[in-house]
Amino acid sequence: DVKVTQSSRYLVKRTGEKVFLECVQDMDHENMFWYRQDPGLGLRLIYFSYDVKMKEKGDIPEGYSVSREKKERFSLILESASTNQTSMYLCASSITGGMNQPQHFGDGTRLSIL
Amino acid sequence: GNSVTQMEGPVTLSEEAFLTINCTYTATGYPSLFWYVQYPGEGLQLLLKATKADDKGSNKGFEATYRKETTSFHLEKGSVQVSDSAVYFCALRVTGANSKLTFGKGITLSVRP
Repeated sequence: DVKVTQSSRYLVKRTGEKVFLECVQDMDHENMFWYRQDPGLGLRLIYFSYDVKMKEKGDIPEGYSVSREKKERFSLILESASTNQTSMYLCASSITGGMNQPQHFGDGTRLSIL
Repeated sequence: GNSVTQMEGPVTLSEEAFLTINCTYTATGYPSLFWYVQYPGEGLQLLLKATKADDKGSNKGFEATYRKETTSFHLEKGSVQVSDSAVYFCALRVTGANSKLTFGKGITLSVRP
């Protein structure tokens, strides 16, 4: 089974801090994704990566950056955390090749910015 | 652009009731369609999928048929269980989208014993 592991289930940080959310997958997947999930808004794509050192903006990249130095690891960075970034963050990965390849999700990190 | 519209929730049903969750889409191209489920405290997991018109995806008693003429992919189950209580997301992917998924807003299903 594919395993996508997010480093923290719950995280509390302060406004202005630099925050790192880590995600690791164990299936050699090329594609990795970061979403945020908010009530009434569903999942919104922040950034994604289809190869090491490659990244593309999703629908809501403002206030975030990402890093992918190794194939299995995809980091989401909040450069200067703000209260409106309090949310559930979900990481996913998928293999390249065919539109029917599913994305595999981690269990999420619930981030609170005080 | 691409978008997915799900019916408004939440939905509350009694055990063994029939379930329909509506999903319609707009897409620039020929999409593949997915239903994902999120159980409490967990991430999303793929429930079922369909990749071409008239395909029926099925899993765990759930079914959805890809209807190109009505651009719909409604989720159904004949008899829900308490363990089906979760959030359900409809999603699509189109060719050349670097495996990006477009999700609906999700709907919360609660099943009473």
